[in-house]
Amino acid sequence: QSVLTQPPSVSGAPGQRVTVSCTGSSSNIGAGYEVNWYQQLPGAAPKLLIYANDNRPSGLPDRFSASTSGTSASLVITGLQAEDEANYYCQSYDGSLGVSLFGGGTKVAVL
Amino acid sequence: QVQLHQWGAGLLKPSETLSLTCAVYGGSFSAYYWSWVRQPPGKGLEWIGEINHTGGTHYNPSLKSRVTMSIDTSKNQFFLNLASVTAADTAVYFCARGPTRNRVFDYWAQGALVTVSS
Repeated sequence: QSVLTQPPSVSGAPGQRVTVSCTGSSSNIGAGYEVNWYQQLPGAAPKLLIYANDNRPSGLPDRFSASTSGTSASLVITGLQAEDEANYYCQSYDGSLGVSLFGGGTKVAVL
Repeated sequence: QVQLHQWGAGLLKPSETLSLTCAVYGGSFSAYYWSWVRQPPGKGLEWIGEINHTGGTHYNPSLKSRVTMSIDTSKNQFFLNLASVTAADTAVYFCARGPTRNRVFDYWAQGALVTVSS
């Protein structure tokens, strides 16, 4: 079980809004370490989606947004599109374990 | 544009040593940390360790006893050795740039499946 906990799956119809949660603890997200989000399409490498809690790399659509609060973080996809169907991972650093951590991943399905 | 390309043996027997190479094209090789991340089939991502241009390393404690990372700045390459592999080490292995400021992994190689089987 991952130290950063994500739901195994979420789904939504095209055009809808979906939220992917990432729950950590006081030694990682709660300690103020930044949360980053990655999108992984089948058979591909992870792709940086959000960095430093709520920042999008240049060229990424603004349909993707994220936030943090306390020991948790959330990724929101608005206006869901078919090409958004992928696995999404949160990532942070744990000061107690001394490791970069990834969440277990969430499969976003477009109905 | 930064690109990473990796290669290495894809099939190992138990107790052998996994060896992978990652070559970096573009960008400043010496200005960053470089990492290895793995993903068992159907599972999530696990950070293995990182190395900087001076050879300074930081490994995941869960793998530290078996991991060695090294770097060749003259070739813009870095390397992973994982000793005494078992079936549990079967995974897609990725090399990546980072963690950068904000602890981001911003560029990734394509990944390579390494299977451990007798």
